[in-house]
Amino acid sequence: QVQLQGSGPGLVRPSETLSLTCNVSGFSISSGYYWGWIRQPPGKGLEWIGHIYHGGSTYYNPSLKSRVTISVDTSKNQFSLILSSVTAADTAVVYCARTGPLGYNSFDIWGQGTMVTVS
Amino acid sequence: EIVLTQSPGTLSLSPGERATLSCRASQSVSSSYLAWYQQKPGQAPRLLIYAASSRATGIPDRFSGSGSGTDFTLTISRLEPEDFAVYYCQQSGSSPWTFGHGTKVEIK
Repeated sequence: QVQLQGSGPGLVRPSETLSLTCNVSGFSISSGYYWGWIRQPPGKGLEWIGHIYHGGSTYYNPSLKSRVTISVDTSKNQFSLILSSVTAADTAVVYCARTGPLGYNSFDIWGQGTMVTVS
Repeated sequence: EIVLTQSPGTLSLSPGERATLSCRASQSVSSSYLAWYQQKPGQAPRLLIYAASSRATGIPDRFSGSGSGTDFTLTISRLEPEDFAVYYCQQSGSSPWTFGHGTKVEIK
């Protein structure tokens, strides 16, 4: 059973850098698929942040591209998100999720979400 | 950027009734890249439908998706108590991938 578990600090100060990690179990990242991040501000809708292929190719939302880095560590079977220069507008639940061409780029497996507060 | 507009914002129905949710795109979306998700309070979204009309693994057949181009529909044939939630559509055929703002299906 594929499971994703996100982790990282729940509180980040304005102008600092948010860093989250998603551990994948039950599936080897090296086997394929894309691995993505989506966020949801409190009481609002979903926003795609970006995703990465196990080989390292990255795809970012242009609205966040200047501040986002997504990386993958196949040896640890995990992938990570870095968002720099955060502001209060970055306060959100951040989800990690699996996507890829087999599911026509839908997000078929989601982590539980990490609440990140910028304050 | 493709903007997805979902309607209605809220749908008030009783268990056993049929729910019809709309997702309209500002530009044509390849049907292969239109998905629907269900989200309950405090939970991550769950994939229901991908490629506009294919049910994800384990999704009951009361959920069905249809549509093409700019107009897509999610239908729940007979609402069960556990179906009252927020539903989002998402397109991933054009960057940036975008989500609709959601339709809340609430108990009447």
